[in-house]
Amino acid sequence: AQKITQTQPGMFVQEKEAVTLDCTYDTSDPSYGLFWYKQPSSGEMIFLIYQGSYDQQNATEGRYSLNFQKARKSANLVISASQLGDSAMYFCAMRVGGGATNKLIFGTGTLLAVQP
Amino acid sequence: EPEVTQTPSHQVTQMGQEVILRCVPISNHLYFYWYRQILGQKVEFLVSFYNNEISEKSEIFDDQFSVERPDGSNFTLKIRSTKLEDSAMYFCASSLTFLQGGDYTFGSGTRLTVV
Repeated sequence: AQKITQTQPGMFVQEKEAVTLDCTYDTSDPSYGLFWYKQPSSGEMIFLIYQGSYDQQNATEGRYSLNFQKARKSANLVISASQLGDSAMYFCAMRVGGGATNKLIFGTGTLLAVQP
Repeated sequence: EPEVTQTPSHQVTQMGQEVILRCVPISNHLYFYWYRQILGQKVEFLVSFYNNEISEKSEIFDDQFSVERPDGSNFTLKIRSTKLEDSAMYFCASSLTFLQGGDYTFGSGTRLTVV
């Protein structure tokens, strides 16, 4: 079964500290993609970072990096130097299916609170 | 930066009424999607659309739902007879390919409240 698991319902981090949000996935497809999205209280889904299953290097986008461990089926998001504006819900998602039938499967999310 | 536009941002409707949620995907994108997020829950796939037809739909997407791309720019989700449990945030998304990640773009959502 294809599934995304986020085991941390909520996390606290001090401003300027780094934080890791956990994500594990399950799929038997050899080709897939992993996403992280940020959802602030206003509700929109903001794309943060993407890792393809064949990518050799871990993806990085500014303060965001994705710790991709394929053998362990994990795709943890690392946010460095947390800011107050990082407080939001964070969703891990996996792109499955090929061609026109591709879709995203989401985890249940982690609510991050950055404390001053 | 190109974006996916959804209207309206909020909609309140009476149970049993029909609603149409509208989306304008990114102009050169080829794949279109609708997702739903019930308040406090995870985002769920509803339907994907490619080459003017539905390519996949979830079990949520029953006969009450339909999608259409009436012209070259709009992509709509219709709920024929709304129920209380249809209250949710509905997201439209589009992508140019199915191989890349960064082009998979969500709109800002329509919050539907059925009363």
